Parts: sequence; structure tokens; C-alpha cells
Amino acid sequence: GAGVSQTPSNKVTEKGKYVELRCDPISGHTALYWYRQSLGQGPEFLIYFQGTGAADDSGLPNDRFFAVRPEGSVSTLKIQRTERGDSAVYLCASSLKGINSPLHFGNGTRLTVT
Amino acid sequence: SQQGEEDPQALSIQEGENATMNCSYKTSINNLQWYRQNSGRGLVHLILIRSNEREKHSGRLRVTLDTSKKSSSLLITASRAADTASYFCATETPSGSRLTFGEGTQLTVNP
Repeated sequence: GAGVSQTPSNKVTEKGKYVELRCDPISGHTALYWYRQSLGQGPEFLIYFQGTGAADDSGLPNDRFFAVRPEGSVSTLKIQRTERGDSAVYLCASSLKGINSPLHFGNGTRLTVT
Repeated sequence: SQQGEEDPQALSIQEGENATMNCSYKTSINNLQWYRQNSGRGLVHLILIRSNEREKHSGRLRVTLDTSKKSSSLLITASRAADTASYFCATETPSGSRLTFGEGTQLTVNP
């Protein structure tokens, strides 16, 4: 079956621009997560959705970052006024029910801010 | 901040040898999970061990958990060149709201 799909796979943008990153989770998975990973580091938690609502957004670094999941399926991570420090691989994952469920990751979107 | 810390940061072994990676964490957990990541790809779930379990096996993988020491180990037996990847431990807190990853161990298996 289809896994977690993230688009685009690569995004290059100029400092100050707005970007949207999309995640299509596995069908039927109620939990969806966004992580950010820099080179040589482990994934850093950003936000966790259970259904349509953000159950935990405490990992979002500042108010330039926002994520939505309006219908409980596809999610979009939005970054305003991008900065060079936002450059990283943004990973999306979904799981069947959240607690005690393994995460299924997409291949990520590599964001480069020039 | 990262909950889990893997040790060693890098490990290089010959094909056929066993590889052991360790993970330490700081707070109470609901479960601990191990993931693998090949370069340029997403993470792949390997095994989940709950806080009331002490050992779990899956194929050539063996995971132990010692909650009194807040530590876990991942053993890969009879390693293959295809096992070359980064391995991460991740802990889920009792509230279950997030999975927190460590910095990973880079494993290289030489043919």
C-alpha cells in the first residue's frame, strides 16, 4: 500500500519568502507528526496532530511556523518569512492511533533557504 | 532537547560481526522505539518495547530495556553490509503526545 508521501521533495527559497510543505499520511492513520532534521542530528519534534486538532504544538520554534490538518488527513506545514536557519529536512510521519503505535515516515522535504 | 542519547556516535564493524548500540534517557517512558535511517531517506521503524517489557526480538534484532537504569540496547547479530545506516532510539512519554529522538548511531558494516 501507499506510504507517507511528502511534496515537494526539495524546495529552494529565498530568505523572507513563505513556503508550504505538504504531507499525505497513510489512509486511516489518525495521528500525524512533523519533525525537522538537520545534518548529522536526530529528528526534532515540531507538532503532533490527533485527527484535525493539534494535540501538541510545543515543538514549533516560533510563530513563523504553523501547521494545519483541516480534514484529519493531509497536513500542511507553513513557514513565513523564512530564515537561513530554517534550512533542514522536514519529515512527516503518521501512525495508526498515536500512543504505542510505530511511526511511518515519509522521505522528507529538503528545504534550503538562500 | 533530546531525550535519548545513543552511544557510540559511530560504529564500524566487519560483515558477520554483531553490532551493539546503547541508548540512555532521562524521564519516565511509555515505550522506547528503535528506528533506522538510510542516507537521504525517512526513518523506518524497527521495534517497539513497552516500559513493562525487558527484552524483545525481531529477526536478527534484539532489544533490551532497563527502566531502573533508564537505558536500552539494540543488538544486530550477524551484520550485513546492507545494515549500514543510522540508528535512532526514541522515547514516548506516558502522556503519549510525542516521540523524542536521540542523536543516533552511524553504523558502517564493511563487506
